[in-house]
Amino acid sequence: EVVLTQSPATLSLSPGERATLSCRASQSVDIYLAWYQQKPGQAPRLLIYDTSNRATGIPTRFSASGSGTDFTLTISSVEPEDFAVYYCQQRNNWPGTFGQGTKLEIK
Amino acid sequence: EIQLVESGGGLVQPGGSLTLSCAASGFTFGSINGMSWVRQAPGRGLEWVSAISGRGGVTYYADSVRGRFIISRDNSQSTLYLQMNSLRAEDTAVYYCARGQRGAAMASFDVWGQGTVVTVSA
Repeated sequence: EVVLTQSPATLSLSPGERATLSCRASQSVDIYLAWYQQKPGQAPRLLIYDTSNRATGIPTRFSASGSGTDFTLTISSVEPEDFAVYYCQQRNNWPGTFGQGTKLEIK
Repeated sequence: EIQLVESGGGLVQPGGSLTLSCAASGFTFGSINGMSWVRQAPGRGLEWVSAISGRGGVTYYADSVRGRFIISRDNSQSTLYLQMNSLRAEDTAVYYCARGQRGAAMASFDVWGQGTVVTVSA
């Protein structure tokens, strides 16, 4: 099973700051990594698929990069509505797995 | 509007059974989208439970549910199912239905339901 390790567990920032979230895979997942945002009481929302492709309707302040085992999600300037938990997910190998999440909180 | 609506959750005793349903609307429910069930235990992260290809010919199960859960779909009824047997306390979670972006079982999920709560307790 591919283990996805996200860091940091919690990221405390002020609105307007840049956020950098990391996801490291225990083995290569090629480009097949996605990022989701989840707010309390809501279902996850797809932000990024296949490493760097923004999903429909996702603002351009969200970008992502990486390949193989190391991936990064960047929010160029955090907006108040961006404070949430972020998960990475790989679909290269079954069982598909999610990271444990990074909580982006208001500083 | 594209929508997935789960139903069938509830309180069940250990060893019992439940069948979850996910009704799809607003898009053509068929071979172009694989479907999955993803669960989230209280206060925990996401776990991909099971996946099925668009045509239903390929299915996957997490080790934690293999042999107890069965995923299926009825494309004519635009509905996804998860039959859950021999339920355990550790199956307690919110169960989400999710649409894959492609016809294969393994996919990223671009549409999610609101979730249905399953509680396994005596």
